[in-house]
Amino acid sequence: GQNIDQPTEMTATEGAIVQINCTYQTSGFNGLFWYQQHAGEAPTFLSYNVLDGLEEKGRFSSFLSRSKGYSYLLLKELQMKDSASYLCAVRAGSNYQLIWGAGTKLIIKP
Amino acid sequence: NAGVTQTPKFRILKIGQSMTLQCTQDMNHNYMYWYRQDPGMGLKLIYYSVGAGITDKGEVPNGYNVSRSTTEDFPLRLELAAPSQTSVYFCASSEGTEAFFGQGTRLTVV
Repeated sequence: GQNIDQPTEMTATEGAIVQINCTYQTSGFNGLFWYQQHAGEAPTFLSYNVLDGLEEKGRFSSFLSRSKGYSYLLLKELQMKDSASYLCAVRAGSNYQLIWGAGTKLIIKP
Repeated sequence: NAGVTQTPKFRILKIGQSMTLQCTQDMNHNYMYWYRQDPGMGLKLIYYSVGAGITDKGEVPNGYNVSRSTTEDFPLRLELAAPSQTSVYFCASSEGTEAFFGQGTRLTVV
């Protein structure tokens, strides 16, 4: 079957660093995505990894290891506005369908 | 720059009623999707389309229908509303990598 696992909830302190992990088991792999979703809003795109390694984009970085079926999203210099859910999604086939994890709710404390 | 526009934003339906959720995009994307998101859960794919005139079922298509007569529009039809269809519905479009989401429709069936 197809499965994506993420922690349900994480708490971190403003100004700190947090790492959100995602593991996946899918039949095929054609890229991994991270999206941010604030409560009551639509998901917005953060990052895309298709090759192994680290992709950095400002305060956010995303890492992929295809052999381990593993990715993480690293958020640095946390701000209160980073309080949101972070969704991991895998594109497993060629028809551009995405398989979504349930999301990790990140709570930032002052 | 509208992106993906969904209407309505909120709707309350009685059991057995029908309705159409509208979705339109102005980015000339070929790929369009309908998802539902239940509280604390990831996105579940209802239907998707790879171009005008072509649609296919996702993970949870029962109780829904779609059409794609133009590149821009991808309406979702609920024929006989049931309480199990109470959810937040998101339309999205894509042309390869990043998916762009509409603001969502919060539907309650009572």
